[in-house]
Amino acid sequence: EAQVTQNPRYLITVTGKKLTVTCSQNMNHEYMSWYRQDPGLGLRQIYYSMNVEVTDKGDVPEGYKVSRKEKRNFPLILESPSPNQTSLYFCASSSTGDLYNEQFFGPGTRLTVL
Amino acid sequence: GQNIDQPTEMTATEGAIVQINCTYQTSGFNGLFWYQQHAGEAPTFLSYNVLDGLEEKGRFSSFLSRSKGYSYLLLKELQMKDSASYLCAVLDSNYQLIWGAGTKLIIKP
Repeated sequence: EAQVTQNPRYLITVTGKKLTVTCSQNMNHEYMSWYRQDPGLGLRQIYYSMNVEVTDKGDVPEGYKVSRKEKRNFPLILESPSPNQTSLYFCASSSTGDLYNEQFFGPGTRLTVL
Repeated sequence: GQNIDQPTEMTATEGAIVQINCTYQTSGFNGLFWYQQHAGEAPTFLSYNVLDGLEEKGRFSSFLSRSKGYSYLLLKELQMKDSASYLCAVLDSNYQLIWGAGTKLIIKP
């Protein structure tokens, strides 16, 4: 089954404790992206990657890191989480062969930073 | 700056028709998407418009007017399962998606 998976789905942590949210897709997509979603603000892009070893900042990259060492994986790293990073996070992928194609989203990770 | 406007919330009756509007001001335009998102779930693709006019797909239709920076999503024969948020997103000149905040649609029996 074609899908994007994220782990963990739910996470409660404390300020300053480094964490990683994993994202993996099995559709051989070149493009991958991380979003955060907050009430009233819609989806905001954190980072995106057009292909392996190519990453770029989105609209709200501060406090986050990403890496793209393999085509299928695109982990999101919070080196020192803060309460304002409490949010719902989505990973998405699509084929750059046709950028007009739909983005496939993972199920989301609900993060709470105390 | 880039901006996408949608109504925050709409209410409609089961079996009726509802139109959700989206207006946009972006740096260039390479298409407009509509996604559906049920509460707590991931967005799922509904439609893509890049040329002016109406695209029909079952009970859902999407319209685009590039000259007016305007789109709407039309939902017919509403069902309770259509209760969700509907997200409008524009692909700008840099091929980045700019997202609206979404319209929460409430369906009443």
